Amino acid sequence: SAVISQKPSRDICQRGTSLTIQCQVDSQVTMMFWYRQQPGQSLTLIATANQGSEATYESGFVIDKFPISRPNLTFSTLTVSNMSPEDSSIYLCSVADITSTDTQYFGPGTRLTVL
Amino acid sequence: RKEVEQDPGPFNVPEGATVAFNCTYSNSASQSFFWYRQDCRKEPKLLMSVYSSGNEDGRFTAQLNRASQYISLLIRDSKLSDSATYLCVVIFTGGGNKLTFGTGTQLKVEL
Repeated sequence: SAVISQKPSRDICQRGTSLTIQCQVDSQVTMMFWYRQQPGQSLTLIATANQGSEATYESGFVIDKFPISRPNLTFSTLTVSNMSPEDSSIYLCSVADITSTDTQYFGPGTRLTVL
Repeated sequence: RKEVEQDPGPFNVPEGATVAFNCTYSNSASQSFFWYRQDCRKEPKLLMSVYSSGNEDGRFTAQLNRASQYISLLIRDSKLSDSATYLCVVIFTGGGNKLTFGTGTQLKVEL
């Protein structure tokens, strides 16, 4: 399986600011996704990061709040904009390959706390 | 009603016990099913896929009942290291590769 890293691993931010989270994979992958896991809850898909085009957002998530970039097949960023305490969560990227698109592997996550 | 439902637990069992988790899903048009494991403060990791014919991997057995729309995971001879949260995951037909997660069932294996 691919080796996935995320930066930063954790951060504490002030409300109103923005944070960009990076996801790096050690091999080219077809699909990359961004999830959120709020305290005590399960994972919710934010969006699918599309290489070379705009991300595909799930219901309840918008580009202005969570802009996503995917410049190539190994890298993606998620920005959490104009943060509020409700954005405190773990943000995880995951990847899947065209040879087995059902199977996803997750990065270690970024633990965000907004004060 | 949640799309994927699990008993949150916790299930506290002694080492060596057999424990079973169930998961129900609401959409009959579902194509793929998985169990993921998530350790405290760690990312989810794929434990096993669930096939219509059922499948076994060592001490772990997964079953799918499409008619009743539930998935089960059986852990035999449980170890302390099995303590984790087990997440039921479904891909719904027409949902692309979107994983829909249950809230997870917490297992604590004790001496």
